[in-house]
Amino acid sequence: DGGITQSPKYLFRKEGQNVTLSCEQNLNHDAMYWYRQDPGQGLRLIYYSQIVNDFQKGDIAEGYSVSREKKESFPLTVTSAQKNPTAFYLCASRLGSGTANTGELFFGEGSRLTVL
Amino acid sequence: AQTVTQSQPEMSVQEAETVTLSCTYDTSESNYYLFWYKQPPSRQMILVIRQEAYKQQNATENRFSVNFQKAAKSFSLKISDSQLGDTAMYFCAFIPGGTYKYIFGTGTRLKVLA
Repeated sequence: DGGITQSPKYLFRKEGQNVTLSCEQNLNHDAMYWYRQDPGQGLRLIYYSQIVNDFQKGDIAEGYSVSREKKESFPLTVTSAQKNPTAFYLCASRLGSGTANTGELFFGEGSRLTVL
Repeated sequence: AQTVTQSQPEMSVQEAETVTLSCTYDTSESNYYLFWYKQPPSRQMILVIRQEAYKQQNATENRFSVNFQKAAKSFSLKISDSQLGDTAMYFCAFIPGGTYKYIFGTGTRLKVLA
């Protein structure tokens, strides 16, 4: 079945360490997204990528980095520069522009990062 | 700035009853898509219903329907015959056509009571 796979589901990190969250999709979608979810704040956009080798900062990109070397993969690195990294992280994807584009975002199951 | 407002942080409804979740948005665009997403306690976000702004007819999906008022920039979700499995966070979102950036509301936590 097609879908989005995020790993790991739970991750613990010591302060000062970088961690990378994996996101893989087999939906042949062009666009991929990373959101951060905190209680009472909804979803906030970290980064998004429309095509391979291209990505744009979202509203809260500071302390995060991404890469998009393959269409299927969009890993997120939470760096030590992120002041408050404990959160739930959601990866999503969308079919690109064109008449077949329904506009719908498809989400992974999320990764819970806790900084000790 | 484009925004989405969900003014009800929490709601509850008795099983089999009807509940309406409110959503208002602000945009100067004329072409856009609107969505309601559901995030159950298992956490995976799934699409409940979508609406194209150029369509006047309100979208429906089984027990879920919307009341789309374009002039008022309102997009409420009605859940009929509520079921225990409807217990979840519900997020309203929109995206201008031809763009890639979605705007989400802060969510409404809905609890269906037995």
